[in-house]
Amino acid sequence: GDSVTQMEGPVTLSEEAFLTINCTYTATGYPSLFWYVQYPGEGLQLLLKATKADDKGSNKGFEATYRKETTSFHLEKGSVQVSDSAVYFCASRRRGYGGSQGNLIFGKGTKLSVKP
Amino acid sequence: DADVTQTPRNRITKTGKRIMLECSQTKGHDRMYWYRQDPGLGLRLIYYSFDVKDINKGEISDGYSVSRQAQAKFSLSLESAIPNQTALYFCATSDELGTQYFGPGTRLTVL
Repeated sequence: GDSVTQMEGPVTLSEEAFLTINCTYTATGYPSLFWYVQYPGEGLQLLLKATKADDKGSNKGFEATYRKETTSFHLEKGSVQVSDSAVYFCASRRRGYGGSQGNLIFGKGTKLSVKP
Repeated sequence: DADVTQTPRNRITKTGKRIMLECSQTKGHDRMYWYRQDPGLGLRLIYYSFDVKDINKGEISDGYSVSRQAQAKFSLSLESAIPNQTALYFCATSDELGTQYFGPGTRLTVL
């Protein structure tokens, strides 16, 4: 079945460091891909998404490119801030809207801590 | 006002008690979901609903039941709570493109 694997955390970085959180997926066909962020004490929020190969999603300085050849959707940010400290979830969604196809498959999450 | 709300936000209960967690949404979405989050396990799907008449089990539905009272309301019940149901519970809705919108969560502790 479909699955999402992301790098285990926790990840600790200093402010202004470069961030990469790896995410790979297995799926039948070409799913849509998402990154969600969960700040402490809150629910998940959509950070960015990409719906087809070579699409780049971006938001708040974060970017991720849909790589079909490597089945990856790695999250990157050039200069992290303390306020980026959160848990990040990668997710995939099979195309189609019938049955369970529209459901999201989540990775286990990666906790990021950014120190001043 | 938040688009997806959950009540209560925190609940402590005892083993064997019946508990209901409620979720309301103002986004007008047909699809709604209940997840639980445990440390190191990510989010696991309990139940999902396409509309008021269509309810489906997720990967971990045992010990849980749901009710879709209206398009805007989706409740999760634990008929007889047990300690390993201690977790953070999230409700979510989904638009037609698959983007999900989450509530703030309910932290449930079963003693």
